[in-house]
Amino acid sequence: KQEVTQIPAALSVPEGENLVLNCSFTDSAIYNLQWFRQDPGKGLTSLLLIQSSQREQTSGRLNASLDKSSGRSTLYIAASQPGDSATYLCAAHFGNEKLTFGTGTRLTIIP
Amino acid sequence: ETGVTQTPRHLVMGMTNKKSLKCEQHLGHNAMYWYKQSAKKPLELMFVYSLEERVENNSVPSRFSPECPNSSHLFLHLHTLQPEDSALYLCASSQDSGQGGYEQYFGPGTRLTVT
Repeated sequence: KQEVTQIPAALSVPEGENLVLNCSFTDSAIYNLQWFRQDPGKGLTSLLLIQSSQREQTSGRLNASLDKSSGRSTLYIAASQPGDSATYLCAAHFGNEKLTFGTGTRLTIIP
Repeated sequence: ETGVTQTPRHLVMGMTNKKSLKCEQHLGHNAMYWYKQSAKKPLELMFVYSLEERVENNSVPSRFSPECPNSSHLFLHLHTLQPEDSALYLCASSQDSGQGGYEQYFGPGTRLTVT
């Protein structure tokens, strides 16, 4: 069964620190992996998309990596800010129409 | 309007009501999706449409009925829902569907409460 897991479910970090969010998936035959941000009660905002042929993608203070052999992706956030507080979701395309989502990590940046 | 829009943003309905959710994408995409997000559970894919044809129905109860009149609009018709159907319903679109995994863009969602 193709599954995506995100641990921990919640994380609190002081403002200014760098942090890493984790995502693991069960099937190395992955097409791509997408990281999203979701604010409470809102929709999903796409942050980064990594194709299976890529090892990382960067956008501003965000850097996402992909290691297919170990079934892991990480989202690195540099110099965290209170505005980064949100739930971060990763989702994998396993070669069909559907995105398989993790349950997310709720991030709180402490001012 | 840009991106993906959804109306209404909030909906409260009784179990005997009939209502519809609307989604519109302004991105020129060919594929549209309905997802359900319940508390403490991963997003669940409900339906996928590609060029107005349904390509996936993820074992969704018949009380949910999708409609895709054109590639820019997607509806979810609701009737005789149950309280456990209360959730955030998200619409998404992508350039296409199928193998290759196109990037999906999401709307703000409709918060549905069934009383």
